[in-house]
Amino acid sequence: EAGVAQSPRYKIIEKRQSVAFWCNPISGHATLYWYQQILGQGPKLLIQFQNNGVVDDSQLPKDRFSAERLKGVDSTLKIQPAKLEDSAVYLCASIRTLWDTEAFFGQGTRLTVV
Amino acid sequence: AQTVTQSQPEMSVQEAETVTLSCTYDTSENNYYLFWYKQPPSRQMILVIRQEAYKQQNATENRFSVNFQKAAKSFSLKISDSQLGDTAMYFCVNDMRFGAGTRLTVKP
Repeated sequence: EAGVAQSPRYKIIEKRQSVAFWCNPISGHATLYWYQQILGQGPKLLIQFQNNGVVDDSQLPKDRFSAERLKGVDSTLKIQPAKLEDSAVYLCASIRTLWDTEAFFGQGTRLTVV
Repeated sequence: AQTVTQSQPEMSVQEAETVTLSCTYDTSENNYYLFWYKQPPSRQMILVIRQEAYKQQNATENRFSVNFQKAAKSFSLKISDSQLGDTAMYFCVNDMRFGAGTRLTVKP
């Protein structure tokens, strides 16, 4: 089966610009996660979707970050406006159901804000 | 909220030797899963091993095994016969929350 697809792989923007990342999970996977991984740190969970509903967005900086999964399939994560500290890898992961035990990860989008 | 603590930022081991990575966690759940993921320089996150909390037997996957101490909320990973390809960041995970990671280097 195809893996979790993310695009773009790399993005460089200036501070105060906006940027969007796209994730297409494995077909049939109901649960989708977005993570922010700053260099040298562990991934930080930003938001969790179950189908098209938000389960947990407690660590999403809602003043500048937004995410949607309108049809319960693919998802976009947006940053507007970007700050220098948003430079990181943004990872997407999916699992079939909340009770499944293995998450599958995309290769991430590396964002550099200059 | 669930938290995961990895207190060893970096570790190194000689090829063919054994190394143990430590992890403690905090959860209010009664049944839960714990995972170790590996992230090589390619950034691709790879599942190494998983443990279900209600199972008392420690999980084993080939050269990888865990020491799960539920009462102490401890979940360490043992890598036996270390190989150069084991060089990577290792993350302990509970409820899809990650620890800070341990950078493991296997030396020839």
